[in-house]
Amino acid sequence: AQTVTQSQPEMSVQEAETVTLSCTYDTSESDYYLFWYKQPPSRQMILVIRQEAYKQQNATENRFSVNFQKAAKSFSLKISDSQLGDAAMYFCAYRVNNAGNMLTFGGGTRLMVKP
Amino acid sequence: KAGVTQTPRYLIKTRGQQVTLSCSPISGHRSVSWYQQTPGQGLQFLFEYFSETQRNKGNFPGRFSGRQFSNSRSEMNVSTLELGDSALYLCASSQGWDSSYNEQFFGPGTRLTVL
Repeated sequence: AQTVTQSQPEMSVQEAETVTLSCTYDTSESDYYLFWYKQPPSRQMILVIRQEAYKQQNATENRFSVNFQKAAKSFSLKISDSQLGDAAMYFCAYRVNNAGNMLTFGGGTRLMVKP
Repeated sequence: KAGVTQTPRYLIKTRGQQVTLSCSPISGHRSVSWYQQTPGQGLQFLFEYFSETQRNKGNFPGRFSGRQFSNSRSEMNVSTLELGDSALYLCASSQGWDSSYNEQFFGPGTRLTVL
């Protein structure tokens, strides 16, 4: 069974600084996707960034980028120039390719942004 | 385009009762997935429906069931409610099921409280 682990229950960052959230996963599959989702206090889950396992290049979306280490099964999220609106729960998630849309989530990291 | 809608947004039930939650996917989306979110267990996958057929099922007891209608709207039902069923129930929709990538869009959730 696939598992996703986020070892940091809580993180804090100063506004405009950079923060990295960690995620490790365990799978025997070779073809899969990894995601970072943001869940603000409104509870609406929002996709932040995704990474295809077959791509060696790390995904980037504006201030958000990932460090994908396939051999180490590690998938961290870096948020640059943190903003107050980045404060939320962040979930790392995994999905096997071509087997439906079922997501396996990590336990989440609560990110606090200090002004 | 309207997003994923879930009704009701809040629900209070007592133990032993049953409850039905509804999810309307984004227009054109044929896959609907359901997730349970609790502080103790985190986000857990319940089931996924595509073209009125259950395609994936999580590890939940038979009290949890679902269905999907021809217009892709989905309902989930929980019978004989237990205190531990108190949770945020999230619905997510996506266009397809068996293609390599389908972005999932989440609804705002239904907050179920069991007394």
